[in-house]
Amino acid sequence: GEDVEQSLFLSVREGDSSVINCTYTDSSSTYLYWYKQEPGAGLQLLTYIFSNMDMKQDQRLTVLLNKKDKHLSLRIADTQTGDSAIYFCAESISGNQFYFGTGTSLTVIP
Amino acid sequence: DAGITQSPRHKVTETGTPVTLRCHQTENHRYMYWYRQDPGHGLRLIHYSYGVKDTDKGEVSDGYSVSRSKTEDFLLTLESATSSQTSVYFCAISASGGLQPQHFGDGTRLSIL
Repeated sequence: GEDVEQSLFLSVREGDSSVINCTYTDSSSTYLYWYKQEPGAGLQLLTYIFSNMDMKQDQRLTVLLNKKDKHLSLRIADTQTGDSAIYFCAESISGNQFYFGTGTSLTVIP
Repeated sequence: DAGITQSPRHKVTETGTPVTLRCHQTENHRYMYWYRQDPGHGLRLIHYSYGVKDTDKGEVSDGYSVSRSKTEDFLLTLESATSSQTSVYFCAISASGGLQPQHFGDGTRLSIL
């Protein structure tokens, strides 16, 4: 599969901003996605960005896309303990397949 | 939330036995997917379906087969389970394949002893 890489762990203090990073390898990606997975649950779609966009904001979430560097980031403003979860980035290239990163485990410290 | 139900939610079985996992959707979506989730690997695609009786292999299809006889049901079968297939299995659906975000079920935790 395609290489979609994420750092494994991130810890932040409650109220701070969290930035979760992702790099991908295929420049023909059409959409890039962020999912959240809480313990014992499936993945929940948080947001997605079309590959011709640079930024998308949705309430506390900001997605930045740097196509030149093939770098995607998810910023969570005013991080809360309920944001503790595993966050996956994913890319959709062509056809009907998605490629997921390995996930970043976010821990929010009260 | 998208109407996706996976069954069973948990299963423990022995090596060499056949296992079938079921995914049922109420959204009438065309595309259905089976993924497995393992530590250090994220989610990997096993098989997917783009319509009734239309299926194709994903990244890690060896040892697995699928069937889709109705729009709403997508079955994943392990013909002869092995310990390496111990994993959490997720079903996902999509209205239009790669151009539309997928929605996921809550997963089936399968342990093969």
